[in-house]
Amino acid sequence: AQRVTQPEKLLSVFKGAPVELKCNYSYSGSPELFWYVQYSRQRLQLLLRHISRESIKGFTADLNKGETSFHLKKPFAQEEDSAMYYCALGGYKLSFGAGTTVTVRA
Amino acid sequence: DTGVSQDPRHKITKRGQNVTFRCDPISEHNRLYWYRQTLGQGPEFLTYFQNEAQLEKSRLLSDRFSAERPKGSFSTLEIQRTEQGDSAMYLCASSLALPAEGYTFGSGTRLTVV
Repeated sequence: AQRVTQPEKLLSVFKGAPVELKCNYSYSGSPELFWYVQYSRQRLQLLLRHISRESIKGFTADLNKGETSFHLKKPFAQEEDSAMYYCALGGYKLSFGAGTTVTVRA
Repeated sequence: DTGVSQDPRHKITKRGQNVTFRCDPISEHNRLYWYRQTLGQGPEFLTYFQNEAQLEKSRLLSDRFSAERPKGSFSTLEIQRTEQGDSAMYLCASSLALPAEGYTFGSGTRLTVV
């Protein structure tokens, strides 16, 4: 069975501070991992994929197979980063974590 | 093509009534997914189609739920004899055959059963 755990429901940081959202997964095969974001009153949208090793809006995420983690990081948080973030695992069928609400304060 | 469209945006229904939701995916996407999201939870997989074939259904999808994608384009999700526990956001998403590209989600249909 595949499972995604996001241990933090809420995360509050000051503008300019680093932010890290934790994601742990369980999966028997080779995982495909994603981060999705939902801004206020907007639809859920893809933020980044582990296979592309890209940086989107200053966010990066590294897959650590030993720790079965895929934490999302940004060195300097901005107010527009305030949103709900979901970690997701899988191929044709995604399993989502419960999400972390990030609030960036001025 | 402006993305994945879902209709209606909101639906309030009385317990025991039937409801039907519609999803129009991105036209080039041959995979279509239905998810359900309740408060404080991430989206939960319900079912998915590749073209017109329904390839998998979650155990969350009871006999009261049925989904179709008759021509491999739009899809409908019907809930019969609604119950209060069916109140949730129903999300539709579509993707290319390569799932690693990620999904494109619609805005969802919020169902409230009173």
